[in-house]
Amino acid sequence: EPEVTQTPSHQVTQMGQEVILRCVPISNHLYFYWYRQILGQKVEFLVSFYNNEISEKSEIFDDQFSVERPDGSNFTLKIRSTKLEDSAMYFCASSGGLDQPQHFGDGTRLSIL
Amino acid sequence: GEDVEQSLFLSVREGDSSVINCTYTDSSSTYLYWYKQEPGAGLQLLTYIFSNMDMKQDQRLTVLLNKKDKHLSLRIADTQTGDSAIYFCAEMEASGTYKYIFGTGTRLKVLA
Repeated sequence: EPEVTQTPSHQVTQMGQEVILRCVPISNHLYFYWYRQILGQKVEFLVSFYNNEISEKSEIFDDQFSVERPDGSNFTLKIRSTKLEDSAMYFCASSGGLDQPQHFGDGTRLSIL
Repeated sequence: GEDVEQSLFLSVREGDSSVINCTYTDSSSTYLYWYKQEPGAGLQLLTYIFSNMDMKQDQRLTVLLNKKDKHLSLRIADTQTGDSAIYFCAEMEASGTYKYIFGTGTRLKVLA
């Protein structure tokens, strides 16, 4: 069964550094999402992306964050200048349509030192 | 804003049924979902239900939806030790880009 893949599985970065989290959504999917889960807290929506542009973003998704679909397969989340509070598990998801369920990757654990 | 709530822990004996409950606030939700998260792993879609349905059964899983009370439950029949995980309820916000609002997750522990 096709799946969403995320790399790396764990990223350790110094505060203030840029980090790029990578995702390969399921190949025929059209809608892409990033969520994050701070340890012990709920999974929170960050951003949705469709037709090469951001459809919606949460208040968490400030100017330090950006998303890109640089080619036909990858979907990336960039954090420009990381802060300690960015430490979390970041999940990528994709769906084939708005009425189709979102399929999630295994996540990237981001640790900011 | 929308909110989804779940109890934090549930412990059952192997072979018994487990019932995980969830309440939500958005009455316009069209779809509700159950995801399973095993330690160190991602969110695995278990099942989902459309809001015009009361019940959906899928092998050992039964989802019940009480739309009037905004209550969703997941019943796992003949619970096995491999079912030990965190179970997340999520509602699809029926506006914008249909993002998911997740509950806190219920940690299910199955005792042998």
